[in-house]
Amino acid sequence: GQQLNQSPQSMFIQEGEDVSMNCTSSSIFNTWLWYKQDPGEGPVLLIALYKAGELTSNGRLTAQFGITRKDSFLNISASIPSDVGIYFCAGRTTTDSWGKLQFGAGTQVVVTP
Amino acid sequence: SAVISQKPSRDICQRGTSLTIQCQVDSQVTMMFWYRQQPGQSLTLIATANQGSEATYESGFVIDKFPISRPNLTFSTLTVSNMSPEDSSIYLCSVEPGQGANEQFFGPGTRLTVL
Repeated sequence: GQQLNQSPQSMFIQEGEDVSMNCTSSSIFNTWLWYKQDPGEGPVLLIALYKAGELTSNGRLTAQFGITRKDSFLNISASIPSDVGIYFCAGRTTTDSWGKLQFGAGTQVVVTP
Repeated sequence: SAVISQKPSRDICQRGTSLTIQCQVDSQVTMMFWYRQQPGQSLTLIATANQGSEATYESGFVIDKFPISRPNLTFSTLTVSNMSPEDSSIYLCSVEPGQGANEQFFGPGTRLTVL
């Protein structure tokens, strides 16, 4: 079953504000992936993380692989209207079979002008 | 990354019928997967589509209900059989190209409504 706890469930923010969300687990992960899904579309990969402590940026997005290997964070700086969507964390534990990903429940981001 | 297409993009089907969804990738990939996303929910893995052998199903999903084919390294199909309204979901194909990085890319999804 799902082992990832993603929070917050939803966020209502004003344009220009920063956004933070995270995923935690009781299991040790060796891969963390962050996706964004727009309505009617498939998830789009934003950032991939492979090492504990790794900090990776993609434009205004920054994600970190937690040092304990049990959590990950995604930050969006200076939000804009097109940041609206659902953000999913996904990860693979050391015991998951090759390719299998576990998904968080998602964080819905709403940006108001 | 890989470019993934799915057909159909959406369909409305009658109870008791079956629908086959196609997934095509623009390059050869090692791993292909099928997910289900029920309304307002996260993604749930249905099965791993294995090239040249039977798919590997996750707990709660069976071959009789969700038969899968993968005849080559760029194509797979998922059939949703004997449909009921509870099968109304988005069905997503994903791939891992397999060249070292464990990145998984998703297709646009097939939105299925069963009446």
